[in-house]
Amino acid sequence: GENVEQHPSTLSVQEGDSAVIKCTYSDSASNYFPWYKQELGKRPQLIIDIRSNVGEKKDQRIAVTLNKTAKHFSLHITETQPEDSAVYFCAASIGYSTLTFGKGTMLLVSP
Amino acid sequence: GAVVSQHPSWVICKSGTSVKIECRSLDFQATTMFWYRQFPKQSLMLMATSNEGSKATYEQGVEKDKFLINHASLTLSTLTVTSAHPEDSSFYICSEQQGGGEQYFGPGTRLTVT
Repeated sequence: GENVEQHPSTLSVQEGDSAVIKCTYSDSASNYFPWYKQELGKRPQLIIDIRSNVGEKKDQRIAVTLNKTAKHFSLHITETQPEDSAVYFCAASIGYSTLTFGKGTMLLVSP
Repeated sequence: GAVVSQHPSWVICKSGTSVKIECRSLDFQATTMFWYRQFPKQSLMLMATSNEGSKATYEQGVEKDKFLINHASLTLSTLTVTSAHPEDSSFYICSEQQGGGEQYFGPGTRLTVT
């Protein structure tokens, strides 16, 4: 089955800096890659996703890139703010099948 | 995004009792819902896929007789934890899958078994 590795497990940045979280996947058939943000005790929220037919997608301060050849995808957050502090999960799936999640990255943005 | 609700948001029960958790899709007719559990500081672990009108598909290692799933309508799936034990204490979250494969999560249910 699919295996998703996520790095780093924790990331501390200063407010205004950029943050990058990287994930690799094992199944070359995977074609859907969402990113979720989860604040403590809350539900995971879908913040951005990308499908295998595009290499990059942006939404304001967040962007996701996908390298199908290398089987990795990354989340980029620019101009980080304290409210970006949360745990971020990457995931991968094939079509409408189940999502396989990475282990998560705890992002701490210090003022 | 979709609107998914869960009830209750938290529950405390005694060992040996059963607990039912409801997951409702408020703005979408979801033929497929998923049930996850999440231990503190860990990732989401898929328990089962709930399909409207048919039996749930359980992940390896998840006891189907202990975690009963019913998806009787397009807007409601339920998870019943039977004969709960302290090790079942966890955060249980459901999600609905929309047309493009995206999953939207409910707010979760914190279960504590004493």
